[in-house]
Amino acid sequence: DTAVSQTPKYLVTQMGNDKSIKCEQNLGHDTMYWYKQDSKKFLKIMFSYNNKELIINETVPNRFSPKSPDKAHLNLHINSLELGDSAVYFCASSQETGTGGDYGYTFGSGTRLTVV
Amino acid sequence: QKEVEQNSGPLSVPEGAIASLNCTYSDRVSQSFFWYRQYSGKSPELIMSIYSNGDKEDGRFTAQLNKASQYVSLLIRDSQPSDSATYLCAVGAGGYQKVTFGTGTKLQVIP
Repeated sequence: DTAVSQTPKYLVTQMGNDKSIKCEQNLGHDTMYWYKQDSKKFLKIMFSYNNKELIINETVPNRFSPKSPDKAHLNLHINSLELGDSAVYFCASSQETGTGGDYGYTFGSGTRLTVV
Repeated sequence: QKEVEQNSGPLSVPEGAIASLNCTYSDRVSQSFFWYRQYSGKSPELIMSIYSNGDKEDGRFTAQLNKASQYVSLLIRDSQPSDSATYLCAVGAGGYQKVTFGTGTKLQVIP
């Protein structure tokens, strides 16, 4: 039974399109995150939600809009996609807010976004 | 700018040897330190957390923390080919503060 599931796994789209990535966790965690990992493997936080409330909003273009309908779901919508948005996007959740505590983050399998 | 620095590698070690992975961080108020392992094409998974100066052992893994030197390391004893992966160091200030990841060190264990 998958703990943090993301869909889709792969997304290839043209510049200017709008796309969404969905994430669901069944761990009962209160906090969820979106991370972006670039081609050099640098993992950078984008957003964090605690029980549906936005608590971290990094310097991300406002073309990126997260939505958390409930604490088990965190979706990411991206408008007007650009070439530089190509990356792997990871959803994660944690029992403890912030660093994740002793158990850290549980990551989803990632969504590889390619903008052409 | 809070930074976490790691040598990108690859670090090549023979099977059975000790692999030593190092990480330095710039934020002196950092309180929480983590090592994640990421296999190629997979998601990161937590292998160790450490909060106090000194060593913390878990099976073949030992995390070492020196807050005065702003340095954290991971030792992998009896390295196996299955340990070949990228190891990400992550540092947090605690509370609701985010974790900052390093760019990772690629480890290759040669059979």
